[in-house]
Amino acid sequence: AQTVTQSQPEMSVQEAETVTLSCTYDTSESNYYLFWYKQPPSRQMILVIRQEAYKQQNATENRFSVNFQKAAKSFSLKISDSQLGDTAMYFCAFIITGKLIFGQGTELSVKP
Amino acid sequence: ETGVTQTPRHLVMGMTNKKSLKCEQHLGHNAMYWYKQSAKKPLELMFVYNFKEQTENNSVPSRFSPECPNSSHLFLHLHTLQPEDSALYLCASSLPDRSSYTFGSGTRLTVV
Repeated sequence: AQTVTQSQPEMSVQEAETVTLSCTYDTSESNYYLFWYKQPPSRQMILVIRQEAYKQQNATENRFSVNFQKAAKSFSLKISDSQLGDTAMYFCAFIITGKLIFGQGTELSVKP
Repeated sequence: ETGVTQTPRHLVMGMTNKKSLKCEQHLGHNAMYWYKQSAKKPLELMFVYNFKEQTENNSVPSRFSPECPNSSHLFLHLHTLQPEDSALYLCASSLPDRSSYTFGSGTRLTVV
């Protein structure tokens, strides 16, 4: 079975600090895409960052970066210099055989 | 706006009603998807359409009936729903390589 697990249902961080959201997954495939999506209260599912499994270099996107450990099947998201606008649900997901499979989500609160 | 538009934003319907959800994209994507997002659960893939052809039905009850008249439009027809069908229904679209998905803002459905 192909699954995605986010073990932190809720997290909070002080504004301007750094937070890491964890994600593990299980697949028998060797090539796939991994994603972090953000869903603010507006409900819009927004792509934060993407990683291709065959690339060893960790993806970065401004204040967002990932720590991709393929052998460990781990894909964590680091948010640096957290901002109030980062408050949202964060979903880890991966595409395999055309299907986008999501984790349960982590609710992140950034406090002033 | 992401380029994927869903209407209506909110819908309240009785168990004997018939209603339809609409999704529209003009991104040139050829695949479209319906997802169900219930509270405290991961997003569940319901249906997949590639080039207007349904390629996936994830064991969805027949009271949900999708329709894809062309690559830009996707509908979800609803009839005789149950209260447990209350959820956020998200539409998404993607390019042929499935390397990324674009989501709409969803329809918040309440069945009374």
